Amino acid sequence: DVKVTQSSRYLVKRTGEKVFLECVQDMDHENMFWYRQDPGLGLRLIYFSYDVKMKEKGDIPEGYSVSREKKERFSLILESASTNQTSMYLCASSFIGQGYFDEQFFGPGTRLTVL
Amino acid sequence: GENVEQHPSTLSVQEGDSAVIKCTYSDSASNYFPWYKQELGKRPQLIIDIRSNVGEKKDQRIAVTLNKTAKHFSLHITETQPEDSAVYFCAASIKSGGSYIPTFGRGTSLIVHP
Repeated sequence: DVKVTQSSRYLVKRTGEKVFLECVQDMDHENMFWYRQDPGLGLRLIYFSYDVKMKEKGDIPEGYSVSREKKERFSLILESASTNQTSMYLCASSFIGQGYFDEQFFGPGTRLTVL
Repeated sequence: GENVEQHPSTLSVQEGDSAVIKCTYSDSASNYFPWYKQELGKRPQLIIDIRSNVGEKKDQRIAVTLNKTAKHFSLHITETQPEDSAVYFCAASIKSGGSYIPTFGRGTSLIVHP
């Protein structure tokens, strides 16, 4: 059974703080993704990684960075948190399939509030 | 316009009715089209997917159809039940830079009234 875990379910930070969100998967998936989910906007891709130390920008990378030092772990970093980054953050992983990504398995999400 | 458009944003049906959610996409090279269901407070989970070499796929009460020429695909749920109430997301592989990335629609909130 695939398991994707995220370091926190709820997080409250202050404007300007550096924030780390961590995601771990146990299925040896090549691909890992970070999304933010906001009401009415669906799931928007921030960054993804298809291999260790590799990263690609998604649709909304501004204000975020990522790190993938090990295959099972993908971190999202907010260098200087701002109130407009208050959101639900979802991590996902998948094998590389025929379409460059296959079924995605999501983590439980981290609800981040920036005050 | 958006790379993946999804309609309607809200769908309200009576138990036992059918529900149809439609998505259109922009990239004619897209070849993988999954549908995810997200129940309240839970993570999205894949319910059905289709690849570009297939026109239709069915799994019990759920079916997905794909029209590559028109660049649209649809989710069909028959004999809806209250437990089908959730937000449904379509997605397509859209080229961005040198990579294909999963791009989601904005979601459809399905409400099934008992």
